[in-house]
Amino acid sequence: QQQVKQSPQSLIVQKGGISIINCAYENTAFDYFPWYQQFPGKGPALLIAIRPDVSEKKEGRFTISFNKSAKQFSLHIMDSQPGDSATYFCAVTPLDSNYQLIWGAGTKLIIKP
Amino acid sequence: EAQVTQNPRYLITVTGKKLTVTCSQNMNHEYMSWYRQDPGLGLRQIYYSMNVEVTDKGDVPEGYKVSRKEKRNFPLILESPSPNQTSLYFCASKKDSKGTSAYYNEQFFGPGTRLTVL
Repeated sequence: QQQVKQSPQSLIVQKGGISIINCAYENTAFDYFPWYQQFPGKGPALLIAIRPDVSEKKEGRFTISFNKSAKQFSLHIMDSQPGDSATYFCAVTPLDSNYQLIWGAGTKLIIKP
Repeated sequence: EAQVTQNPRYLITVTGKKLTVTCSQNMNHEYMSWYRQDPGLGLRQIYYSMNVEVTDKGDVPEGYKVSRKEKRNFPLILESPSPNQTSLYFCASKKDSKGTSAYYNEQFFGPGTRLTVL
Protein backbone atom coordinates (compact mmCIF):
# COMPACT_ATOMS: atom_id res chain seq x y z
CA GLN A 1 0.00 0.00 0.00
CA GLN A 2 1.48 3.27 -1.08
CA GLN A 3 1.60 5.74 1.75
CA VAL A 4 1.95 9.42 2.35
CA LYS A 5 3.27 10.46 5.75
CA GLN A 6 2.19 13.88 6.94
CA SER A 7 3.57 15.79 9.92
CA PRO A 8 2.92 17.27 12.36
CA GLN A 9 -0.48 15.95 13.41
CA SER A 10 -1.30 19.31 14.96
CA LEU A 11 0.32 22.72 14.94
CA ILE A 12 -0.18 25.95 16.84
CA VAL A 13 1.28 29.14 15.37
CA GLN A 14 1.07 32.74 16.47
CA LYS A 15 -0.65 35.19 14.18
CA GLY A 16 1.84 36.56 11.69
CA GLY A 17 4.12 33.55 11.97
CA ILE A 18 5.03 30.91 9.38
CA SER A 19 3.17 27.61 9.39
CA ILE A 20 4.99 24.63 7.88
CA ILE A 21 3.45 21.25 7.20
CA ASN A 22 5.44 18.40 5.69
CA CYS A 23 4.65 15.33 3.64
CA ALA A 24 6.84 12.44 2.56
CA TYR A 25 5.99 9.77 0.04
CA GLU A 26 7.45 6.37 -0.56
CA ASN A 27 7.13 5.88 -4.31
CA THR A 28 8.57 8.04 -7.06
CA ALA A 29 5.80 7.30 -9.53
CA PHE A 30 3.61 10.27 -8.64
CA ASP A 31 2.96 13.29 -10.79
CA TYR A 32 0.59 15.55 -8.89
CA PHE A 33 0.96 16.94 -5.37
CA PRO A 34 -2.00 18.91 -4.04
CA TRP A 35 -2.81 20.39 -0.68
CA TYR A 36 -6.41 20.52 0.49
CA GLN A 37 -7.84 22.77 3.19
CA GLN A 38 -10.79 21.73 5.32
CA PHE A 39 -12.75 23.99 7.66
CA PRO A 40 -14.95 22.50 10.40
CA GLY A 41 -18.26 21.28 9.01
CA LYS A 42 -17.08 21.52 5.41
CA GLY A 43 -15.60 19.24 2.82
CA PRO A 44 -11.94 19.57 1.80
CA ALA A 45 -11.20 22.10 -0.92
CA LEU A 46 -8.15 22.32 -3.14
CA LEU A 47 -5.78 25.00 -1.87
CA ILE A 48 -2.72 24.71 -4.09
CA ALA A 49 -1.07 22.01 -6.20
CA ILE A 50 2.26 21.37 -7.91
CA ARG A 51 3.60 19.15 -10.66
CA PRO A 52 7.04 17.51 -10.16
CA ASP A 53 8.74 19.53 -12.89
CA VAL A 54 8.98 22.57 -10.60
CA SER A 55 10.52 22.91 -7.14
CA GLU A 56 8.29 25.64 -5.78
CA LYS A 57 4.90 27.18 -6.37
CA LYS A 58 3.58 30.27 -4.67
CA GLU A 59 0.03 31.58 -4.53
CA GLY A 60 -0.40 34.55 -2.26
CA ARG A 61 0.68 33.55 1.24
CA PHE A 62 0.74 29.84 0.39
CA THR A 63 3.81 28.10 -1.04
CA ILE A 64 4.51 24.48 -1.92
CA SER A 65 8.15 23.43 -1.79
CA PHE A 66 8.93 20.20 -3.59
CA ASN A 67 12.08 18.10 -3.15
CA LYS A 68 11.94 15.27 -5.66
CA SER A 69 15.19 13.59 -4.59
CA ALA A 70 14.10 13.50 -0.95
CA LYS A 71 10.53 12.52 -1.90
CA GLN A 72 9.14 15.31 0.24
CA PHE A 73 6.92 18.31 -0.24
CA SER A 74 5.77 20.91 2.19
CA LEU A 75 3.21 23.66 2.59
CA HIS A 76 4.34 27.03 3.93
CA ILE A 77 1.80 29.60 5.08
CA MET A 78 3.38 33.01 5.46
CA ASP A 79 1.93 35.68 7.76
CA SER A 80 -0.48 33.09 9.20
CA GLN A 81 -3.92 34.46 10.10
CA PRO A 82 -6.66 33.14 12.41
CA GLY A 83 -8.75 32.49 9.30
CA ASP A 84 -6.15 29.94 8.22
CA SER A 85 -7.09 27.73 11.17
CA ALA A 86 -8.21 24.51 9.50
CA THR A 87 -7.15 20.96 8.81
CA TYR A 88 -4.71 20.56 5.93
CA PHE A 89 -4.25 17.41 3.88
CA CYS A 90 -1.50 16.61 1.43
CA ALA A 91 -2.10 14.06 -1.30
CA VAL A 92 -0.39 12.49 -4.30
CA THR A 93 -1.63 11.09 -7.61
CA PRO A 94 0.10 8.07 -9.17
CA LEU A 95 1.69 8.57 -12.55
CA ASP A 96 -0.60 6.02 -14.21
CA SER A 97 -3.81 7.50 -12.83
CA ASN A 98 -5.67 10.74 -13.46
CA TYR A 99 -8.24 10.23 -10.75
CA GLN A 100 -6.73 8.57 -7.69
CA LEU A 101 -5.61 10.61 -4.68
CA ILE A 102 -3.57 9.02 -1.90
CA TRP A 103 -4.01 11.13 1.20
CA GLY A 104 -1.91 12.10 4.18
CA ALA A 105 -3.51 11.83 7.64
CA GLY A 106 -4.04 15.58 8.01
CA THR A 107 -2.67 18.41 10.15
CA LYS A 108 -4.89 20.47 12.40
CA LEU A 109 -3.57 24.03 12.31
CA ILE A 110 -4.53 26.61 14.92
CA ILE A 111 -3.46 30.21 14.52
CA LYS A 112 -3.48 32.07 17.83
CA PRO A 113 -4.45 35.76 17.66
CA GLU B 1 -23.72 27.42 -8.33
CA ALA B 2 -21.41 24.50 -9.11
CA GLN B 3 -21.57 22.12 -6.20
CA VAL B 4 -21.74 18.63 -4.77
CA THR B 5 -24.65 18.01 -2.45
CA GLN B 6 -25.12 15.23 0.08
CA ASN B 7 -28.13 14.15 2.10
CA PRO B 8 -28.65 13.73 4.92
CA ARG B 9 -25.99 15.80 6.64
CA TYR B 10 -26.44 14.00 9.93
CA LEU B 11 -27.81 10.53 10.56
CA ILE B 12 -28.11 8.41 13.67
CA THR B 13 -29.24 4.86 13.09
CA VAL B 14 -29.10 1.40 14.64
CA THR B 15 -27.12 -1.66 13.68
CA GLY B 16 -28.58 -3.52 10.73
CA LYS B 17 -31.01 -0.87 9.49
CA LYS B 18 -30.35 -0.25 5.80
CA LEU B 19 -29.60 3.32 4.82
CA THR B 20 -28.71 5.36 1.75
CA VAL B 21 -26.69 8.55 1.59
CA THR B 22 -27.35 10.48 -1.58
CA CYS B 23 -24.80 12.46 -3.57
CA SER B 24 -25.46 14.71 -6.53
CA GLN B 25 -23.24 17.01 -8.61
CA ASN B 26 -24.26 19.65 -11.15
CA MET B 27 -20.90 20.05 -12.92
CA ASN B 28 -21.33 17.25 -15.49
CA HIS B 29 -18.33 15.47 -14.01
CA GLU B 30 -17.55 11.95 -15.17
CA TYR B 31 -15.75 10.83 -12.03
CA MET B 32 -17.34 10.50 -8.59
CA SER B 33 -16.07 9.01 -5.39
CA TRP B 34 -16.98 8.27 -1.78
CA TYR B 35 -14.56 8.71 1.12
CA ARG B 36 -14.76 8.21 4.82
CA GLN B 37 -12.82 10.43 7.19
CA ASP B 38 -11.71 9.18 10.58
CA PRO B 39 -9.41 10.97 13.07
CA GLY B 40 -5.75 10.22 12.42
CA LEU B 41 -6.51 8.28 9.25
CA GLY B 42 -7.19 11.05 6.80
CA LEU B 43 -9.52 10.27 3.91
CA ARG B 44 -9.95 6.73 2.74
CA GLN B 45 -11.66 5.91 -0.51
CA ILE B 46 -14.65 3.57 -0.36
CA TYR B 47 -15.82 3.35 -3.99
CA TYR B 48 -15.41 5.38 -7.12
CA SER B 49 -17.06 5.64 -10.50
CA MET B 50 -15.39 6.62 -13.74
CA ASN B 51 -18.72 7.11 -15.51
CA VAL B 52 -22.33 5.91 -15.65
CA GLU B 53 -22.65 2.18 -14.89
CA VAL B 54 -18.90 1.96 -14.10
CA THR B 55 -17.94 1.55 -10.44
CA ASP B 56 -14.94 0.11 -8.68
CA LYS B 57 -13.71 -0.57 -5.17
CA GLY B 58 -11.47 1.81 -3.31
CA ASP B 59 -9.39 1.02 -0.25
CA VAL B 60 -12.19 0.25 2.23
CA PRO B 61 -15.24 -1.09 0.31
CA GLU B 62 -16.40 -3.75 2.79
CA GLY B 63 -19.93 -3.14 4.02
CA TYR B 64 -20.79 -0.58 1.34
CA LYS B 65 -22.51 -0.58 -2.04
CA VAL B 66 -22.82 2.08 -4.70
CA SER B 67 -24.61 2.57 -7.97
CA ARG B 68 -24.21 5.03 -10.86
CA LYS B 69 -27.34 4.99 -12.96
CA GLU B 70 -27.16 8.68 -13.84
CA LYS B 71 -24.14 10.87 -14.36
CA ARG B 72 -25.07 13.35 -11.66
CA ASN B 73 -25.96 10.90 -8.85
CA PHE B 74 -23.83 8.46 -6.88
CA PRO B 75 -25.61 7.09 -3.81
CA LEU B 76 -23.81 5.21 -1.05
CA ILE B 77 -25.72 2.27 0.41
CA LEU B 78 -25.11 0.55 3.72
CA GLU B 79 -27.15 -2.64 3.61
CA SER B 80 -26.51 -3.62 7.24
CA PRO B 81 -24.68 -0.83 9.06
CA SER B 82 -22.41 -1.67 11.98
CA PRO B 83 -20.88 0.58 14.66
CA ASN B 84 -17.47 0.50 12.93
CA GLN B 85 -19.07 2.40 10.05
CA THR B 86 -19.63 5.39 12.31
CA SER B 87 -17.71 8.06 10.48
CA LEU B 88 -17.78 11.28 8.46
CA TYR B 89 -18.53 10.56 4.81
CA PHE B 90 -17.68 12.71 1.82
CA CYS B 91 -18.73 12.49 -1.78
CA ALA B 92 -16.45 14.06 -4.39
CA SER B 93 -16.43 14.58 -8.14
CA LYS B 94 -13.96 15.60 -10.82
CA LYS B 95 -13.89 16.13 -14.53
CA ASP B 96 -12.15 13.20 -16.14
CA SER B 97 -9.32 14.92 -17.96
CA LYS B 98 -5.57 14.49 -18.02
CA GLY B 99 -4.34 17.99 -18.62
CA THR B 100 -1.06 19.74 -18.13
CA SER B 101 -2.34 22.14 -15.50
CA ALA B 102 -1.32 21.51 -11.91
CA TYR B 103 -5.02 21.50 -11.10
CA TYR B 104 -6.18 18.91 -13.60
CA ASN B 105 -6.96 16.43 -10.84
CA GLU B 106 -8.95 18.78 -8.59
CA GLN B 107 -11.71 16.99 -6.74
CA PHE B 108 -14.78 18.86 -5.53
CA PHE B 109 -16.20 17.70 -2.23
CA GLY B 110 -19.66 17.74 -0.76
CA PRO B 111 -20.30 19.10 2.76
CA GLY B 112 -20.14 15.68 4.41
CA THR B 113 -22.54 13.30 6.16
CA ARG B 114 -21.91 12.48 9.78
CA LEU B 115 -23.16 8.95 10.41
CA THR B 116 -23.53 7.34 13.83
CA VAL B 117 -24.44 3.66 14.05
CA LEU B 118 -25.56 2.56 17.50
